[in-house]
Formats: sequence, structure tokens, C-alpha cells
Amino acid sequence: DIQMTQSPSSLSAFVGDRVTITCRASQSVSNYLNWYQQKPGKAPKLLIFAESTLPSGVPSRFSGSGSGTHFTLTISSLQPEDFATYYCQQSYSSYTFGQGTKLEIK
Amino acid sequence: QVQLVQSGAEVKKPGASVKISCKASGYSFTTYSIHWVRQAPGQGLEWMGWVSAGNGDTKYSQNFQGRVTITRATSATTVYMELSSLRSEDTAVYYCARHSQWAYDIWGQGTMVTVSS
Repeated sequence: DIQMTQSPSSLSAFVGDRVTITCRASQSVSNYLNWYQQKPGKAPKLLIFAESTLPSGVPSRFSGSGSGTHFTLTISSLQPEDFATYYCQQSYSSYTFGQGTKLEIK
Repeated sequence: QVQLVQSGAEVKKPGASVKISCKASGYSFTTYSIHWVRQAPGQGLEWMGWVSAGNGDTKYSQNFQGRVTITRATSATTVYMELSSLRSEDTAVYYCARHSQWAYDIWGQGTMVTVSS
């Protein structure tokens, strides 16, 4: 099974900050890498798919990059509604999620 | 609108089974697969398996092999997930999600399953 490791596990930042979350795969997943945002008590929401594609309605301050085994999610200017937990997921070979990164307000 | 609506919360005793439903609406049901993902309290997301709504093919995570069964009823546009031999560690929120080419673009609201004696 492909293991996904996110870092950091938690992060504190100010509104307006630029934030980057990293996701590493135990083997190459090509660009089959997705990111989800989850707020407390809610289902996850698709944020980015295929490493860097934003679904309709996702603000452009979110971006994804990387390939193979190393990926990043960047939020260019944090907004109050962005404080949530973020998960990466590989869909290259079966499906595996990272352990999550909790983004908190500083 | 496109949505997945899940059945309500369940409380089960250890050793019992639970069957959760996920009703799809607003899109062509047989075009997509439906996956199940669970989340234990305070924990991350764990993939369980999927069913092709078109032909009924299934694939399950090795972590649940032998305990999970995912089926679909095409006429009812509903997918079911049954988990057997429940133990306390199965206490979690269970989500169904539509898989759209790359990722899960639509999620159900979640179903809380509590396993307790």
C-alpha cells in the first residue's frame, strides 16, 4: 500500500499569511494527488484534484503543485474561512489519505 | 441539485452488523462509482471500498476484507455499505462519496455509527 505523509500535522497562522502544506508519498503516484478541506462536523470538500486543478468554485488563493512523491498545497493569503483540516489523498493505486494538517488561527 | 443523502445514526452492540444507505440524486447514477470513507472520532480519513454504480463491481480495502460489503440498487439510485462483526474501534462517522474521474467531488453528510455494549 502507498503511504501518504503530511507535514506539518498542525500549523498556526495569521489571516493574510501564505501557508504551505506538504504531502509525501511512499512511492510515485504520478499526478494522482488530491486535496480536501474539512471543517468540524462537516464532510470533506474537494479542494484540488490531479495535483493542481481547482474544481469550480474553489478560490484561486488555493494552489497545488508537485509530482511523483512530493506535493504541496499553498494558500496564498489566508482567510478566516480557511481555518480547517486539510488532507491529501492519492488515487493512483487504490486510495490512501494523509493523516491531515490542522490549520489554526494565531 | 447533485447530492448524496445518507441514512441516520446507528448504535450497535459488538459483534453485530450495520447497513448504511446513501441515496444519490441530481445526476446519472450509473455513470459514477461510489466510495465509502470512515473517520473515527478525532482521527483522519480511511478509505473502505467502492462500488461501480453501473455494473456493480466492487473493490475493498484489505483493512476491511471479509467484513465489508458494498452494494447498489440501481432503480432506487442507492448504495449500501454493510459492516459486520462490529467492534468498538468501528465507532466512526461513515461517509459515501462520488468518485469523478480523479477524486471525490460530492460527499454525503455522514452517518455516525456507535459500537457499544
